[in-house]
Amino acid sequence: GAGVSQSPRYKVAKRGQDVALRCDPISGHVSLFWYQQALGQGPEFLTYFQNEAQLDKSGLPSDRFFAERPEGSVSTLKIQRTQQEDSAVYLCASSLGLRELFFGEGSRLTVL
Amino acid sequence: GENVEQHPSTLSVQEGDSAVIKCTYSDSASNYFPWYKQELGKRPQLIIDIRSNVGEKKDQRIAVTLNKTAKHFSLHITETQPEDSAVYFCAAKDNYGQNFVFGPGTRLSVLP
Repeated sequence: GAGVSQSPRYKVAKRGQDVALRCDPISGHVSLFWYQQALGQGPEFLTYFQNEAQLDKSGLPSDRFFAERPEGSVSTLKIQRTQQEDSAVYLCASSLGLRELFFGEGSRLTVL
Repeated sequence: GENVEQHPSTLSVQEGDSAVIKCTYSDSASNYFPWYKQELGKRPQLIIDIRSNVGEKKDQRIAVTLNKTAKHFSLHITETQPEDSAVYFCAAKDNYGQNFVFGPGTRLSVLP
């Protein structure tokens, strides 16, 4: 596809469950970002990849959050033992350089 | 780290009027300032950006101004139309980091 693709678009999890969110960036984009967007807020940085290397994970809120991009293309954000405060939209963005970010439509996670 | 504030949080204007959204940033090393538009349920999309070596940039009905001394930048939309209704986010990034820091957003409503 031409744009950034994320799946699932919607995920409902019971508290304590593990979830995995997938991001398929634009082909050839070296940079990949994950952001967390709470309702009515701006995107908050979680982590950044350059190809397969995770260069910055300073925004991950706890060690329950883990991201990978093993082949420098598709990325997965995993949240273990989900808590209610994890409920948010998780946005993935890719970039050819470090200027325009191309966002996916997000994965809306609701933790009950 | 960088902190971006944005005002107002909500803005209503009559169709045809102008809208102005203001952002301030804290890190004097920031030198790239993009604006993103996010329609309801959609992905954020870049509408205009400015680098710190210029004070103003225009693209049709949209303009951005930057005051590096005061560390603030503004988005100006002229001749507003109903399709301009959306949430607008400003962001800041420095030359060395990869992290785009976003403001909390402004919900613009253009009333017919």
